[in-house]
Amino acid sequence: DTEVTQTPKHLVMGMTNKKSLKCEQHMGHRAMYWYKQKAKKPPELMFVYSYEKLSINESVPSRFSPECPNSSLLNLHLHALQPEDSALYLCASSQVGTASYEQYFGPGTRLTVT
Amino acid sequence: QKEVEQDPGPLSVPEGAIVSLNCTYSNSAFQYFMWYRQYSRKGPELLMYTYSSGNKEDGRFTAQVDKSSKYISLFIRDSQPSDSATYLCAMLDSNYQLIWGAGTKLIIKP
Repeated sequence: DTEVTQTPKHLVMGMTNKKSLKCEQHMGHRAMYWYKQKAKKPPELMFVYSYEKLSINESVPSRFSPECPNSSLLNLHLHALQPEDSALYLCASSQVGTASYEQYFGPGTRLTVT
Repeated sequence: QKEVEQDPGPLSVPEGAIVSLNCTYSNSAFQYFMWYRQYSRKGPELLMYTYSSGNKEDGRFTAQVDKSSKYISLFIRDSQPSDSATYLCAMLDSNYQLIWGAGTKLIIKP
């Protein structure tokens, strides 16, 4: 099974709201990722967690706050977003320290900020 | 110059044709190469994963890597309308992060 699940599928929020995106995988992967994708562009890396520790933060504004409660779950907390943050937010996972580095993606959460 | 170059298309071919999708790259240190398929408003789906040079086949899909030319290809045989999607190439950098091509939009006409 190579499934990564994400909830919710769609989210509309105002600029003063606080919301969270959730991601789950049961492949035993120890690296998890958040990406942002705008229309007709490839995904842009936001954060990487390796063994539940934040290893990469690609200079993402503090209005995005990641959390990795355990090896299967990844959250992205959103607060005071801007309309330009509207995008498809993708979660991915991969193994660590083996020869299999392929990343598996979830279906994404389509976020609209009004 | 981008590290990975991919023609954004669109590429339109008739059903049943052989499709060839390509990427070129500049960093000779890249060793791991991936092809993803992405349907509109969905997440990328991993199609092929190859290490170093050579060919890999999976059903109607064949991935080729030519490290001497810094060129990778994805071939789709007997193309179907359901293959219509955006195809993204990606490569792992020295930090094991993905470096993406722009994606090629493929349209298979019935």
